[in-house]
Amino acid sequence: DSGVTQTPKHLITATGQRVTLRCSPRSGDLSVYWYQQSLDQGLQFLIQYYNGEERAKGNILERFSAQQFPDLHSELNLSSLELGDSALYFCASSGGSDSRNTIYFGEGSWLTVV
Amino acid sequence: GENVEQHPSTLSVQEGDSAVIKCTYSDSASNYFPWYKQELGKRPQLIIDIRSNVGEKKDQRIAVTLNKTAKHFSLHITETQPEDSAVYFCAASIEYSSASKIIFGSGTRLSIRP
Repeated sequence: DSGVTQTPKHLITATGQRVTLRCSPRSGDLSVYWYQQSLDQGLQFLIQYYNGEERAKGNILERFSAQQFPDLHSELNLSSLELGDSALYFCASSGGSDSRNTIYFGEGSWLTVV
Repeated sequence: GENVEQHPSTLSVQEGDSAVIKCTYSDSASNYFPWYKQELGKRPQLIIDIRSNVGEKKDQRIAVTLNKTAKHFSLHITETQPEDSAVYFCAASIEYSSASKIIFGSGTRLSIRP
């Protein structure tokens, strides 16, 4: 168990809909990262937050948005969903007192768009 | 910005033989290099990491080497076993004062032939 919690684990929704994925980082971690992984693909970096502020942005679509709240949990909002958005979405965290650079992944949220 | 290239994309070795995966990075400021193993449908898990103040690190059958001058680092797995079959990701991290930023390679799918 990495200590990073993601919900929901599985989600099936229709095209055009909107979903919210939730992530609780490891205790003490200030950075949260979101990654998208399609079938047999690598880890596509979407966005990073540090202590509530956006720190880095990757290949995140305009239909997607994220935020990190004062309690450090984060949400990734995906709207106007398309079939191609079906993927495994990982949240990861880092920045704890043990090792600031080490990044720990959650179990992921499987999104299927039908 | 930082770029991490990883080779090969796929690798098949006979059980008991060694496997080597290589990565290069572009930003000389990178100072932390973790390796992750991802089994099918699961989260990436940290297997070994190295910081820029050392050239080599070993953990049982796994070792990582770092050449700062050439800006490349490698993962070595000896005496490979069937459970080593997975996708392996290298990463390079640039630690800032308040947050770390991590860039992943594209992954190597390692298959161990019985």
